[in-house]
Amino acid sequence: GAVVSQHPSWVICKSGTSVKIECRSLDFQATTMFWYRQFPKQSLMLMATSNEGSKATYEQGVEKDKFLINHASLTLSTLTVTSAHPEDSSFYICSASIGASDTQYFGPGTRLTVL
Amino acid sequence: GENVEQHPSTLSVQEGDSAVIKCTYSDSASNYFPWYKQELGKRPQLIIDIRSNVGEKKDQRIAVTLNKTAKHFSLHITETQPEDSAVYFCAAGESGTSYGKLTFGQGTILTVHP
Repeated sequence: GAVVSQHPSWVICKSGTSVKIECRSLDFQATTMFWYRQFPKQSLMLMATSNEGSKATYEQGVEKDKFLINHASLTLSTLTVTSAHPEDSSFYICSASIGASDTQYFGPGTRLTVL
Repeated sequence: GENVEQHPSTLSVQEGDSAVIKCTYSDSASNYFPWYKQELGKRPQLIIDIRSNVGEKKDQRIAVTLNKTAKHFSLHITETQPEDSAVYFCAAGESGTSYGKLTFGQGTILTVHP
């Protein structure tokens, strides 16, 4: 149980284009979803916290107009990287928690490469 | 905000030895402390967690200890095996607020030599 999927698993795009990443909880309803970015050999950096039906809460230093988050249902959250640049290349990972539980279940991640 | 420090950054042991990874946190309100294992290019996997109402928790070869007074917690792996080789992350969070937001440590690269 508690499976989280992400799509796509990897994407290569040209600078200036937008990329959408989907995060789905497959066998549970996720009250809260989290989006992280992980650079090579570094830790997970929280970008934003997303609750179904409400606006995402962004961490300090994360541009909300560049990283658009939508949490339209209890099983789906999307992250759109707008006007991507090479410095946005990274591993983006989502996680989801169930109800009031603290436990976060992670998706497999999406490798974004911006040329 | 919360700040989590993790040591060591790399740890090399022989198969069968024990491995210990330590973390400290800054926010006394934190009361949930999970540990994740991440293999290269894969998702972080929860291996054990502890809450502030207990001081120690064990699951087979893995144990976690928590000292709330000193604000530190540790992961202990006994009888290490080559498949334990991975990056381990500790994290700290405050249950019931901030929707379960976690702050992660910098990670420890564990290598178990056969």
